[in-house]
Amino acid sequence: DAGVIQSPRHEVTEMGQEVTLRCKPISGHNSLFWYRQTMMRGLELLIYFNNNVPIDDSGMPEDRFSAKMPNASFSTLKIQPSEPRDSAVYFCASSPTGEVRNEQFFGPGTRLTVL
Amino acid sequence: QKEVEQNSGPLSVPEGAIASLNCTYSDRGSQSFFWYRQYSGKSPELIMFIYSNGDKEDGRFTAQLNKASQYVSLLIRDSQPSDSATYLCAVFGGKLIFGQGTELSVKP
Repeated sequence: DAGVIQSPRHEVTEMGQEVTLRCKPISGHNSLFWYRQTMMRGLELLIYFNNNVPIDDSGMPEDRFSAKMPNASFSTLKIQPSEPRDSAVYFCASSPTGEVRNEQFFGPGTRLTVL
Repeated sequence: QKEVEQNSGPLSVPEGAIASLNCTYSDRGSQSFFWYRQYSGKSPELIMFIYSNGDKEDGRFTAQLNKASQYVSLLIRDSQPSDSATYLCAVFGGKLIFGQGTELSVKP
C-alpha cells in the first residue's frame, strides 16, 4: 500500500515567492496533519484536519500560511509570501481515526529552502 | 519550561547494551504518550505508545510511564547499530507536542 505522498520533495525558492506543498494521505484515513521541523524548534504541529475540516490551526505561524483540504485525498499548505525563516522540512501525516492521540503515519517530507 | 523535554544527547551505547531514553512533560492532564524514531533525513515512525502507568513491552523496546512524576521513558535492550537514530517523545493533552529528540548512537 502506498504511504503518505508529498510533493515536491525539495523546493528552493526566493524570498517573496509563493510556495505550495502538496499531500496525499493514506486512502481511508480521515485525519491529516501538517508539521514543520527545524533544528531550533523541533517538530511542530501546524494544522490538522478531520474529515476535510480544519480542527486546530493554532500552530500556523502567521497569516502568510494557509492550508486547505478540498477532498479526502488531497491537501495543500501554501506560504505567500515566503521568507528565509520558513526554511524547514514540512511533513504531512495521516491517521485512520479522528483522534490526534492515535498513531500518525508520516510522509517523506518536503525540504523547503527560501533564499 | 518546555512542554516536552528530552536530553538532546548524543547518547552513545555499545552494541548489546541497554539504551535508556527519558522524557518529561509539563501538562498533568496529558493522556497519551508516544515514541517515534527518526533516521537522519527520514520521516518519524511510531515505535511505541503508552496510555497507562507502568511498563509496556514490545520486542526489544519497553516504554515506561509515570504520570505522578510526569515522565515517560524508552528502554532499548540489546541495542543494535541499526537503532542509531533520533528518538522523539510526543505527548498528547489536547494537542500532540513533540520533544526535541534524543540522538542515539550504538557503537559496534
